[in-house]
Amino acid sequence: DQQVKQNSPSLSVQEGRISILNCDYTNSMFDYFLWYKKYPAEGPTFLISISSIKDKNEDGRFTVFLNKSAKHLSLHIVPSQPGDSAVYFCAASVSYGGSQGNLIFGKGTKLSVKP
Amino acid sequence: DAMVIQNPRYQVTQFGKPVTLSCSQTLNHNVMYWYQQKSSQAPKLLFHYYDKDFNNEADTPDNFQSRRPNTSFCFLDIRSPGLGDTAMYLCATSSDLNGGYTFGSGTRLTVV
Repeated sequence: DQQVKQNSPSLSVQEGRISILNCDYTNSMFDYFLWYKKYPAEGPTFLISISSIKDKNEDGRFTVFLNKSAKHLSLHIVPSQPGDSAVYFCAASVSYGGSQGNLIFGKGTKLSVKP
Repeated sequence: DAMVIQNPRYQVTQFGKPVTLSCSQTLNHNVMYWYQQKSSQAPKLLFHYYDKDFNNEADTPDNFQSRRPNTSFCFLDIRSPGLGDTAMYLCATSSDLNGGYTFGSGTRLTVV
């Protein structure tokens, strides 16, 4: 049973508009959430993270929102650029004694930003 | 640049023929992970090393083994690959100080 779910396999957005990628989780013990970006033929690269003590974290064009009661997080990209076209993975973990536990990944959402 | 390097990038092996994938890192991270990602699926953790301590996931097949001879290197051995083992294999490292993962580019394994 998937603990981290990305229900949209793909998303297409016009350049300059907002991209919203969604992620749901089932394990209420998760307390750290991350987004990774993956280009073809490359490994995933870290994009942005959020701790469960926050509901929003912003880094430039990227903002992650966390709704713990709904067990839902989202990644907003504003404005979207063609170079943002990639697969985006949501990941979650449980902290143990101050250290991060193993990451559990979603299936990914392929974002296409059209010029 | 400090990084995680996986070799080879692409590997084709015959059904049942043992294969070894390698991962090296210059980050001096104490934790190393192996993930398996099949087409359109989430990366799935196979096992990880916390320093020299090996941690196997409960549902990782016995066919998959790993070795970590030193901090820098980690190997994934598939003793008798089956067609269902065709996948991308991702190596990642982390330091338990900050928890962020650094991934290699992956090895795409095809079993024929």
